[in-house]
Amino acid sequence: RKEVEQDPGPFNVPEGATVAFNCTYSNSASQSFFWYRQDCRKEPKLLMSVYSSGNEDGRFTAQLNRASQYISLLIRDSKLSDSATYLCVVIFDSHTGGFKTIFGAGTRLFVKA
Amino acid sequence: NAGVTQTPKFRVLKTGQSMTLLCAQDMNHEYMYWYRQDPGMGLRLIHYSVGEGTTAKGEVPDGYNVSRLKKQNFLLGLESAAPSQTSVYFCASTLAAGGLGEQYFGPGTRLTVT
Repeated sequence: RKEVEQDPGPFNVPEGATVAFNCTYSNSASQSFFWYRQDCRKEPKLLMSVYSSGNEDGRFTAQLNRASQYISLLIRDSKLSDSATYLCVVIFDSHTGGFKTIFGAGTRLFVKA
Repeated sequence: NAGVTQTPKFRVLKTGQSMTLLCAQDMNHEYMYWYRQDPGMGLRLIHYSVGEGTTAKGEVPDGYNVSRLKKQNFLLGLESAAPSQTSVYFCASTLAAGGLGEQYFGPGTRLTVT
């Protein structure tokens, strides 16, 4: 089983739609969680952190469910500019010391007019 | 403030050739990373550094070497390139202690090995 798993999609949604992505992780000792956005042929950029209490930034809401070991990203009122790949990132304690960062393979979103 | 820069942006190598990818950051970050990204796969960590003069192996280190002689620079070397090393290479850095925080990425280097 992969340490971090995402549905690769693609998700094809019309403008204005609400869309949600989930990301599951296998290590219960995971400490930090993030969503990154990656545009085609560009570098990943931080979209938002995911806190235990949830996190909302405008049309974007991220939530963490530690019991079921998944994080989610909800996008409301989708815009054409939201079309991108969304990467889930999980950081957990490494048994060799320090922390280990795992990137999911990403979920592709296409928003259409 | 340029953030994280990478050179070159594109390169085509023949099997067996060598090259060095340069990553530079001007944010005074301690932690620096080299990843490769292949279709259908997440970013995979090649090597990383927790400070000047230190390096450590990541998930897929074979065939690569790194050096961090200066805090702002992190070099990735391919001694004898193979077609399996065709990929997009991203460098990243972070300030947060233990590497827990946001990673800032460079624009990537697209490498093709024929």
